[in-house]
Amino acid sequence: DVKVTQSSRYLVKRTGEKVFLECVQDMDHENMFWYRQDPGLGLRLIYFSYDVKMKEKGDIPEGYSVSREKKERFSLILESASTNQTSMYLCASSLSGTAQKLFFGSGTQLSVL
Amino acid sequence: GNSVTQMEGPVTLSEEAFLTINCTYTATGYPSLFWYVQYPGEGLQLLLKATKADDKGSNKGFEATYRKETTSFHLEKGSVQVSDSAVYFCALSGGSGNTGKLIFGQGTTLQVKP
Repeated sequence: DVKVTQSSRYLVKRTGEKVFLECVQDMDHENMFWYRQDPGLGLRLIYFSYDVKMKEKGDIPEGYSVSREKKERFSLILESASTNQTSMYLCASSLSGTAQKLFFGSGTQLSVL
Repeated sequence: GNSVTQMEGPVTLSEEAFLTINCTYTATGYPSLFWYVQYPGEGLQLLLKATKADDKGSNKGFEATYRKETTSFHLEKGSVQVSDSAVYFCALSGGSGNTGKLIFGQGTTLQVKP
């Protein structure tokens, strides 16, 4: 069964900390994505990657960075966490091409205190 | 830019009721359209999709038809079950090239009561 695994289900961090969210997929997908999900706002794209070491900004990249050193792993980095980054973070992957199905992880609920 | 608008929730129905969740979009070109569902405590999963005008996507009793003239992709089900309680997201393919990124609506929560 195909799988996208996010390293933590719940995470609590303090303001100013550097935070790493890890995502691994086992489907050899080219594309990987980080979204954040907030009530009333739906899913908003933070960053995506269509190949190893390649990355592109999504709609809300400010305050975030990403790393994709291996095809199966896509990391989201909060350089200095702030309270407005408290959110549910969802990782997804897909094959290349349009209209491809996205496979999602279960999400990481991050609270920044 | 491209965008998706869904009807406000939550939607509360009794079991076996008819369901409609409205979705309209704004896009240039010819996007593909999707419905994703998120069950409690889980990530999103694809429910159905349509890739061109007048296509009908269907799965698990749910249907949606790609209407270019009204820029809509409304989700329907004839008889809902308690197990259909979830958050439903309408989405469209955005951007160019082969990036495959999706633009999502704000989500509609459905609660079905026995």
